[in-house]
Amino acid sequence: DQQVKQNSPSLSVQEGRISILNCDYTNSMFDYFLWYKKYPAEGPTFLISISSIKDKNEDGRFTVFLNKSAKHLSLHIVPSQPGDSAVYFCAAWNQGGKLIFGQGTELSVKP
Amino acid sequence: DAGVIQSPRHEVTEMGQEVTLRCKPISGHDYLFWYRQTMMRGLELLIYFNNNVPIDDSGMPEDRFSAKMPNASFSTLKIQPSEPRDSAVYFCASSFSGARGYTFGSGTRLTVV
Repeated sequence: DQQVKQNSPSLSVQEGRISILNCDYTNSMFDYFLWYKKYPAEGPTFLISISSIKDKNEDGRFTVFLNKSAKHLSLHIVPSQPGDSAVYFCAAWNQGGKLIFGQGTELSVKP
Repeated sequence: DAGVIQSPRHEVTEMGQEVTLRCKPISGHDYLFWYRQTMMRGLELLIYFNNNVPIDDSGMPEDRFSAKMPNASFSTLKIQPSEPRDSAVYFCASSFSGARGYTFGSGTRLTVV
């Protein structure tokens, strides 16, 4: 059963506009969430995280929002740049001490 | 720090052959994870170790898959016999106790024909 879901396999955005990537989870015990970014032929790299005690965390052009009641989080990238084109994975920290990842969303930022 | 090192980067093998993937974690990290990337399931955790001991192998798909960690600096994931449906990118990651994020290697792209 997929506990972390990214329902959009792909997203295309114009350079300079906002990119919004979404993620839903089913387990209310998850207490920490992360976003990873993956370029082709490379491993995923950490991008930004948020604790369940917060509803927003910002780092430069990247902001993650958490809605615990809806079990939903989103990653906003403003403004989007061509170099942001990559696969983005949402992940949740399991009480058992492991990260559970979603399926990933491939973002394409067009010049 | 060289990061997490995986080898080989690419592996093409015939169905029925044994395949061994290798991983060297970051020095000092006491957790090691093996993930498989597929389109349908994204990054799927196969198995993880703590201090060289397997903790959770519930994600290993079948008995054809096995993993070992003989020491703190080396782990292997073996598939025997391999099948075309095993074709995927396999990632190794490591972390230290208390960390909430992992460092991933560059992955091994496995193709079974």
